[in-house]
Amino acid sequence: QQPVQSPQAVILREGEDAVINCSSSKALYSVHWYRQKHGEAPVFLMILLKGGEQKGHDKISASFNEKKQQSSLYLTASQLSYSGTYFCGTKDQNFVFGPGTRLSVLP
Amino acid sequence: GAGVSQSPRYKVAKRGQDVALRCDPISGHVSLFWYQQALGQGPEFLTYFQNEAQLDKSGLPSDRFFAERPEGSVSTLKIQRTQQEDSAVYLCASSQIGPEDRVYEQYFGPGTRLTVT
Repeated sequence: QQPVQSPQAVILREGEDAVINCSSSKALYSVHWYRQKHGEAPVFLMILLKGGEQKGHDKISASFNEKKQQSSLYLTASQLSYSGTYFCGTKDQNFVFGPGTRLSVLP
Repeated sequence: GAGVSQSPRYKVAKRGQDVALRCDPISGHVSLFWYQQALGQGPEFLTYFQNEAQLDKSGLPSDRFFAERPEGSVSTLKIQRTQQEDSAVYLCASSQIGPEDRVYEQYFGPGTRLTVT
């Protein structure tokens, strides 16, 4: 079952914050986050393996709420380089990605 | 130290032709995934290898799609009698494997853009 992501798209000015959500109707045991720039391969951002886990990577962090079957990606003080499509992914029977959230950071 | 490589980067095939797409994973990575990505969509799982064993091929859309990894390193995705709906970017990713069959970070190749005319 494919995870659901929201919002579908977001436009920010440099320095603004954003939150991207990922949820599933099935139990989540781990959540991956990837960013893909146009015409390029997805690049790994972080993985959360335990419920309640929070991780940070520069000004990008994520949380994982196993009970609510959801994860959120937080982008703080966004930079132009943050533009791209963000995918969450999880291992079900196989590995499934969400449909993506397109983030555009404008100067 | 090289990443995942894929070839060719672009492939144009006439409807009905067979194509073969190659993936060179990161050395030592046990797990290898193939995904199909349509424009504006997330990667969609096709098949998964652990070493040379194809453990999951549930995502292959039809029996025209075939994948192999005979020596546990390089993998080939073959599509027979290509159709227009096969047009997409085909991504390969490799990963280490952890306990309880958990999937760790996947390293993606640049993809092969297949256009069927």
